[in-house]
Amino acid sequence: QVQLVQSGPEVKKAGASVRVSCKASGFTLDNQHINWVRQAPGRGLEWMGWISTYEGNTNYAQNLQARVILTTDTSTKTAYMELRSLTFDDTAVYFCARGWKHFDPWGQGTRVTVSS
Amino acid sequence: QSALTQPASVSGSPGQSITISCTGINSDVGGHNSVSWYQQHPDKAPKVVISDVNNRPSGVSNRFSGSQSGNTASLTISGLQAEDEAHYFCSSLTATDTVVFGGGTKLTVL
Repeated sequence: QVQLVQSGPEVKKAGASVRVSCKASGFTLDNQHINWVRQAPGRGLEWMGWISTYEGNTNYAQNLQARVILTTDTSTKTAYMELRSLTFDDTAVYFCARGWKHFDPWGQGTRVTVSS
Repeated sequence: QSALTQPASVSGSPGQSITISCTGINSDVGGHNSVSWYQQHPDKAPKVVISDVNNRPSGVSNRFSGSQSGNTASLTISGLQAEDEAHYFCSSLTATDTVVFGGGTKLTVL
């Protein structure tokens, strides 16, 4: 079964960093685009960036590029999203998703809560 | 990059058809045949129902169809069913190889 399985919920203080993992099952991460998308409570989807495992290239949303780092470990079929200098506005569910023009499958989502 | 424009809500009765629009600009929707549509039920991950403007992935009901004219793409759901009640989001590639989503449309089946 082709799926992406993400790590569990996180609670972080403002100013801290968070790292979310996304493990592929049923396929390898070779020659793939892995995207990260977040959704604040009651809000829409916000694309954060993608990483290409083929060349190791990344492309980030302009408003996040100073704070987000996407990496992959093809040996463990795991992608990672690290977001630094967290603020309350970063409270959201974070999804990973495979693909370039369209995303399929998606991970189940990881809830990140930023508190004071 | 501004979000693509979708109506906040649409509604229809079972058996009817509805259409959701998604408007962008030349450098995203109008410049690439890459509009996708996603269905999201509450507290679930999104699921692709249309890719590349009008391609229906395997397993998606043929009641879902997509089209595009210029900078506006559309998702049509025919024969509405209660299970179609969800939020729907469009997305597109942009000229800088980033991705932009629409603000989302809540579909209510009356």
